[in-house]
Amino acid sequence: EIVLTQSPGTLSLSPGERASLSCRASQDISGNYFAWYQQKAGQAPRLLISGASSRATGIPDRFSGSGSGTDFALTITRLDPEDFAVYYCQQYGDFPYTFGQGTTLEIK
Amino acid sequence: QVQLQQWGAGLLKPAETLSLTCAVYGGSFSAYYWTWIRQPPGKGLTWIGDINHGGRTHYSPSLKDRLTISIDMSKKQFSLNLSSVTAADTAVYYCARGRTDTRGDYFDYWGQGNLVTVSS
Repeated sequence: EIVLTQSPGTLSLSPGERASLSCRASQDISGNYFAWYQQKAGQAPRLLISGASSRATGIPDRFSGSGSGTDFALTITRLDPEDFAVYYCQQYGDFPYTFGQGTTLEIK
Repeated sequence: QVQLQQWGAGLLKPAETLSLTCAVYGGSFSAYYWTWIRQPPGKGLTWIGDINHGGRTHYSPSLKDRLTISIDMSKKQFSLNLSSVTAADTAVYYCARGRTDTRGDYFDYWGQGNLVTVSS
């Protein structure tokens, strides 16, 4: 199965700053079958990005996804207080679908 | 608006069978793969398996020997059965809608989650 490794494990930033989250796959994910989710405590995950770079409906344009092959990134410009949460990447190019272990974005 | 509402037993003993059901309100039921995902307390997400309107399933290799996912088109519901549970199956279980992007699915709508605890 494809293993996704997210870095960093925890990212401490202040509101208004820029966040860069990384996800590396153990195999090439051709076709960019790659998604990002946000999860707040006690809630279900929320889809942010699919197809590596397409924002889901209602997601603010401060969220952007990029990457291809084995290296993918989620960038959040101008952090809002509501953005502090856990972020997961997911690949859906091959079964079983797999998720990264998560990056916690915390307020500095 | 699409909503997924799930329910099932929250406390099981080892060797029992975990059973959860998810009802779908709004949107098409036949156009998607309906999915189960779990999250052990304090840990990350794990895909369990999915099913489409025709009953075609995909299962996680690590769970396939104990897993059954079924669908009831008339009720717009799908269900998860996981047999012979152990403490390692303790998790929040989510149902989700899998939206197919040519080759595979990402998950655009999620249920509220059910904590299932396995303890003697």
